[in-house]
Amino acid sequence: GAGVSQSPSNKVTEKGKDVELRCDPISGHTALYWYRQRLGQGLEFLIYFQGNSAPDKSGLPSDRFSAERTGESVSTLTIQRTQQEDSAVYLCASSLGGSGEQFFGPGTRLTVL
Amino acid sequence: GDSVTQMEGPVTLSEEAFLTINCTYTATGYPSLFWYVQYPGEGLQLLLKATKADDKGSNKGFEATYRKETTSFHLEKGSVQVSDSAVYFCALSPNAGNNRKLIWGLGTSLAVNP
Repeated sequence: GAGVSQSPSNKVTEKGKDVELRCDPISGHTALYWYRQRLGQGLEFLIYFQGNSAPDKSGLPSDRFSAERTGESVSTLTIQRTQQEDSAVYLCASSLGGSGEQFFGPGTRLTVL
Repeated sequence: GDSVTQMEGPVTLSEEAFLTINCTYTATGYPSLFWYVQYPGEGLQLLLKATKADDKGSNKGFEATYRKETTSFHLEKGSVQVSDSAVYFCALSPNAGNNRKLIWGLGTSLAVNP
């Protein structure tokens, strides 16, 4: 079946603009994760959704970052007033429940000029 | 806090050589441990995992043993192939409720030459 998909694959934006990144998880997966990978660094956890529970937002680096998820489907990660340090690959993963194997999307490469 | 340290790359080997990529961790509870692989142009894939001490994860000829006494989860393969060229990430999932957010190492790039 289809894996996790993300769009766009690449996004170039100017400093100060808002961007919206999209993640389509695997159908039936109740858990969804967003990670950020800066060049030369490991993945950083950003936010976690599990079913109808309140999301774990503990990894969001600032209030410019927010994410939403509609039910157990699509999620969007929004970055307002982008800064150059926001340049990174943003990865989405989904899993069957909160303890299942995480399946990753191909990522969105964000470049802030 | 919890953390993962893995050996720096890049690692360059000849085909059929023995591979070890070191990974050590710091965790307050009883984490699960993972190795993920990212082949060129592809997304991250789970390679193997171990959920408790002394467990051995294995897949595609790769193995890693969860060593609580040395807080390690080193990845090994007896004979690498060109197709194993990829970036390998060690990760842990803290034993903290139902949230399985992963904590990652920086990744180790492996290049296997024919």
